[in-house]
Amino acid sequence: GPKVLQIPSHQIIDMGQMVTLNCDPVSNHLYFYWYKQILGQQMEFLVNFYNGKVMEKSKLFKDQFSVERPDGSYFTLKIQPTALEDSAVYFCASSPDWGASAETLYFGSGTRLTVL
Amino acid sequence: SQWGEENLQALSIQEGEDVTMNCSYKTYTTVVQWYRQKSGKGPAQLILIRSNEREKRSGRLRATLDTSSQSSSLSITGTLATDTAVYFCATDAQGKLIFGQGTKLSIKP
Repeated sequence: GPKVLQIPSHQIIDMGQMVTLNCDPVSNHLYFYWYKQILGQQMEFLVNFYNGKVMEKSKLFKDQFSVERPDGSYFTLKIQPTALEDSAVYFCASSPDWGASAETLYFGSGTRLTVL
Repeated sequence: SQWGEENLQALSIQEGEDVTMNCSYKTYTTVVQWYRQKSGKGPAQLILIRSNEREKRSGRLRATLDTSSQSSSLSITGTLATDTAVYFCATDAQGKLIFGQGTKLSIKP
């Protein structure tokens, strides 16, 4: 089936540093998402992105967070500066369209971020 | 929260048994999706059920949706050890999916 690739799979950084999480979505998909999952807990929506713009962001999407997809390359989540509570697994997802009804989201395997 | 508190649970059963997982939601939706997340992986969709379907089957899986009680269930018949995972239900909310707490299902061989 369609594959979403996330790079790296693990990232360890010191608090206050900048980190960029990379996502290679399914090639013909138009909608992109980031979700955050703390170990053993539910998937929490952060942000969705379409046509070069943020459509909606949740309360978890702090001012230190930003997303972009320059020129159809990686869809990235940048955190600057990082905080201890940013430690989690971040999942990227993409979908072909949303339209008038929900569509399937295809998820990557996640990037485990550890902030020390 | 969009979800009821009864979503969070852990189940452990013997391989071969049948199991049903339930979730309830608070806000209106026309679609419920069920996802499975295996250890170290992202969620993968199992079934998408719309409000006009009430029941949907896919292999050993059966999903139901009752919009009047705002609840959905996922049943697995003849479980296998490979069904061990966390199962999430999710509703659509204007261009995004909102996930429930999930059910951690462990199948003992």
